[in-house]
Amino acid sequence: DAKTTQPPSMDCAEGRAANLPCNHSTISGNEYVYWYRQIHSQGPQYIIHGLKNNETNEMASLIITEDRKSSTLILPHATLRDTAVYYCIVRVALSSGSARQLTFGSGTQLTVLP
Amino acid sequence: EADIYQTPRYLVIGTGKKITLECSQTMGHDKMYWYQQDPGMELHLIHYSYGVNSTEKGDLSSESTVSRIRTEHFPLTLESARPSHTSQYLCASSDTRQGNPFLQFFGPGTRLTVL
Repeated sequence: DAKTTQPPSMDCAEGRAANLPCNHSTISGNEYVYWYRQIHSQGPQYIIHGLKNNETNEMASLIITEDRKSSTLILPHATLRDTAVYYCIVRVALSSGSARQLTFGSGTQLTVLP
Repeated sequence: EADIYQTPRYLVIGTGKKITLECSQTMGHDKMYWYQQDPGMELHLIHYSYGVNSTEKGDLSSESTVSRIRTEHFPLTLESARPSHTSQYLCASSDTRQGNPFLQFFGPGTRLTVL
């Protein structure tokens, strides 16, 4: 599985866009990029995932570079409730016959400031 | 919105007691997982299940046991709790029939303290 590198912490002003980078330079062609977040003392929450195209949902946008070696999670209008640790995970999507676990690294602590 | 529940949310118990942490999901997901996480630390998989009557140990060795008698229910049991079991326990589920086993939805967690 490809290793990911994220900055340990970032600050963002409330109402502004939060751009969280993730480096995955050893990603292989069949590996997806997943983003989760974990608010203090709660379970992780799925945000978004993608393979090579940019993706957008009601929570965030995911921008994957053309060479797929890095990606950026964008929270378009950060609120105080977005303060959390954000995890970037790269894994192969296996067949339904195999249960594979997620491996959460240290992530990026995003602090949204009022 | 994912529907996965864990009870209790908080548990303080004495050494040697038997405890069961409950996890239920109403989404019909086939895969379920238990993770252990200490404050500020990474998640570690301790058990997972492919489906009914299927359970496997995860990456982190654990003295706990699990069962999967019903699709929606995946309880975790500690026969004799010890202070070293103090941690947060997170349950998750995923539906691999949808094509992607990594879309895991997590419960709120149980914070266990063994005195």
